[in-house]
Amino acid sequence: DTAVSQTPKYLVTQMGNDKSIKCEQNLGHDTMYWYKQDSKKFLKIMFSYNNKELIINETVPNRFSPKSPDKAHLNLHINSLELGDSAVYFCASSQVSNGAGEAFFGQGTRLTVV
Amino acid sequence: AQSVTQPDIHITVSEGASLELRCNYSYGATPYLFWYVQSPGQGLQLLLKYFSGDTLVQGIKGFEAEFKRSQSSFNLRKPSVHWSDAAEYFCAVGTNFGNEKLTFGTGTRLTIIP
Repeated sequence: DTAVSQTPKYLVTQMGNDKSIKCEQNLGHDTMYWYKQDSKKFLKIMFSYNNKELIINETVPNRFSPKSPDKAHLNLHINSLELGDSAVYFCASSQVSNGAGEAFFGQGTRLTVV
Repeated sequence: AQSVTQPDIHITVSEGASLELRCNYSYGATPYLFWYVQSPGQGLQLLLKYFSGDTLVQGIKGFEAEFKRSQSSFNLRKPSVHWSDAAEYFCAVGTNFGNEKLTFGTGTRLTIIP
């Protein structure tokens, strides 16, 4: 069983379109994240949700809207896609409440905006 | 705010040779420290972590890392590398639980030559 799974793995779309990436974790963790990895492999957190509540929002354009319908799911919706949004987006989860802290990552979604 | 520096962008090592990847962090309190590995086209896999206690931590795949508070370092080591170790390695620092976002270094690409 995949611990953190993202769909789709690849996404190619035109500028101006709206797209969503889905993430699910079966680890029972209370916190989920979205990270963005740019073309230079630099990883930066975008959002963090704890028990469906937004905890971290790191100066991300409001075209990006995360949604957490329940603890096991965190989706990322992107409006009006721009060329600069091309990147690999990673979902992750961790159990924060007991201090374990380590994050488990999904396989990533490679988004290409053309 | 916390930060991580990985001074080496790219390291090339012969198979069977020893390896040390450098990581320096900046954080005002006791950090949570992690090493992740990313194989091409894959997600991030946790190699090892330091939360407290013994400053020499053992991880998977024969890796170890040593936390040195006086040097703000958390270097990753392996006594003998295998061709399958070729990957991108990321050091990360996490804050105390409750705000568990990870701040990543820029990564070190490891190439193994026969």
